[in-house]
Amino acid sequence: DQQVKQNSPSLSVQEGRISILNCDYTNSMFDYFLWYKKYPAEGPTFLISISSIKDKNEDGRFTVFLNKSAKHLSLHIVPSQPGDSAVYFCAASRGSGNQFYFGTGTSLTVIP
Amino acid sequence: GAVVSQHPSWVICKSGTSVKIECRSLDFQATTMFWYRQFPKQSLMLMATSNEGSKATYEQGVEKDKFLINHASLTLSTLTVTSAHPEDSSFYICSAKGQGVEKLFFGSGTQLSVL
Repeated sequence: DQQVKQNSPSLSVQEGRISILNCDYTNSMFDYFLWYKKYPAEGPTFLISISSIKDKNEDGRFTVFLNKSAKHLSLHIVPSQPGDSAVYFCAASRGSGNQFYFGTGTSLTVIP
Repeated sequence: GAVVSQHPSWVICKSGTSVKIECRSLDFQATTMFWYRQFPKQSLMLMATSNEGSKATYEQGVEKDKFLINHASLTLSTLTVTSAHPEDSSFYICSAKGQGVEKLFFGSGTQLSVL
């Protein structure tokens, strides 16, 4: 049972444009959401997170939006750079629990 | 940010041998560590969760006698792949979480190739 879903396995964007990566979840108890970036043969690195008490969190070129009613979050990267090309995973957790649920990832390619 | 060190980063072994992978939290106490496996072009598959000083909790379908996990201290967890076979070849990643910390921090992964 996939509680966190990333329905787009891949995305290609021109350099300088906006990249929008989407993530949906099914469990309304999730209250903390994270985005990780992963290069091939490396471990994921933390990118940005958002608590359910917020609907937006911004860090430089990265902004995460949370729509609780739709159980949807998105990561916006603007402007996109070739170095952003990687696989992006969204994850969700609840409370102070130790369980994190990951999506299947979206492979972003930024074309120079 | 917090650092999680995982090694070796790459290991090749013969079928039937055992391989140990270490995961260390370098600047925080990891009360919980997670072990994942990733096949090419697939998502991270959680194998087991380990809390310091207690037995690991394995996900359904993961053989606990084959994938031995030890979390003996707040900074070290090990995964031992026993009697490895070619089908165990995969990318293994650990992550760690500290008490009261909401984020997971990942190691750099270990590519295991079993000949």
